[in-house]
Amino acid sequence: NAGVTQTPKFRVLKTGQSMTLLCAQDMNHEYMYWYRQDPGMGLRLIHYSVGEGTTAKGEVPDGYNVSRLKKQNFLLGLESAAPSQTSVYFCASRVAGTGTDTQYFGPGTRLTVL
Amino acid sequence: RKEVEQDPGPFNVPEGATVAFNCTYSNSASQSFFWYRQDCRKEPKLLMSVYSSGNEDGRFTAQLNRASQYISLLIRDSKLSDSATYLCVVNNNFNKFYFGSGTKLNVKP
Repeated sequence: NAGVTQTPKFRVLKTGQSMTLLCAQDMNHEYMYWYRQDPGMGLRLIHYSVGEGTTAKGEVPDGYNVSRLKKQNFLLGLESAAPSQTSVYFCASRVAGTGTDTQYFGPGTRLTVL
Repeated sequence: RKEVEQDPGPFNVPEGATVAFNCTYSNSASQSFFWYRQDCRKEPKLLMSVYSSGNEDGRFTAQLNRASQYISLLIRDSKLSDSATYLCVVNNNFNKFYFGSGTKLNVKP
């Protein structure tokens, strides 16, 4: 049982390049989330999904796209990377329900955009 | 106005001390509340949920004050291993969670 895994762990991009971050969970969770964390700031929600085939915008969705084609995977895409997207990206999943259940986080992806 | 606000600290305390953190939230309709712990360059991990009546888990006690819209975390008998950043998290509907920027705790020998 690996929990939540993220690929890659580190990446350096040049401005304008594209990439996809992969989040995978083996806990059969319905809900999945993508957050970014910048120095001195809390985690901010980028996009989330309440089930396979569904996605929704969070607080800071601009410049990102997501897809949830399979229940266990949640992909975050950057079509044209900008230096402002330099950050640590965390994926999380949870069972679903009333909001009282725990979010489980992946180890993070450290992205630098030059 | 931020959804969740915390004092960034750092709080520097000796081993064995008692330390308390507060966190305020802006949405009076917030439904559930949590404290997460985040070690340097690691992912956040749930420390404890916060219930209306208050709750305790070993050396940790969490309280919720809905009237004043704040939650608190009390750590008794601090250990070196408690050094971390503590994140306050609030859920405003079933789907979204809002994180504070965290309070850094340094426990010194």
